[in-house]
Amino acid sequence: AQSVSQHNHHVILSEAASLELGCNYSYGGTVNLFWYVQYPGQHLQLLLKYFSGDPLVKGIKGFEAEFIKSKFSFNLRKPSVQWSDTAEYFCAVDTNAGKSTFGDGTTLTVKP
Amino acid sequence: KAGVTQTPRYLIKTRGQQVTLSCSPISGHRSVSWYQQTPGQGLQFLFEYFSETQRNKGNFPGRFSGRQFSNSRSEMNVSTLELGDSALYLCASSLSRNGYNEQFFGPGTRLTVL
Repeated sequence: AQSVSQHNHHVILSEAASLELGCNYSYGGTVNLFWYVQYPGQHLQLLLKYFSGDPLVKGIKGFEAEFIKSKFSFNLRKPSVQWSDTAEYFCAVDTNAGKSTFGDGTTLTVKP
Repeated sequence: KAGVTQTPRYLIKTRGQQVTLSCSPISGHRSVSWYQQTPGQGLQFLFEYFSETQRNKGNFPGRFSGRQFSNSRSEMNVSTLELGDSALYLCASSLSRNGYNEQFFGPGTRLTVL
């Protein structure tokens, strides 16, 4: 069975600090990878996705993620966080069969 | 385009009762997935429907069931409620579920079981 692990449950940063959230998955076949974000009081929404091609993908609001196949990782990065990035971030893995597995989420708090 | 809608938004039930939650996907989306979100367990996949057929199912007991109608609207039913069923239930729709389409999430139904 596939699984997704997000290493950090809660991350606290000051504005302008750099961010990296870890995501590792276990699945032997082809996967599609997603990062979703849930801002306080809002719906889950897509940040970025990787299907194939360039392993470095860019998403909304300056976020990017790098797929490293050999490490089964899909870490999320942002060079300089803002207070408005305070949210919960979820890494998700989809197989071509359409079954999604989400990580437990990482709560990011950005201090102004 | 209207987003995914879920009704009701909040629900309070007592143990042993049953509950039905409703989800209307984005127009044109044929796949609807359901998730249970709790602070300790994150998002847990319940099941996915496509063209009125359940295609995938998570590891939940048979008390959790669902269905999808011909207009792609979906309902989820939980029978014999337990305290541990208290959670935010999220519905997500997508064009299809071949793994290449992002999911669009609704606001969720907050279920509290007393």
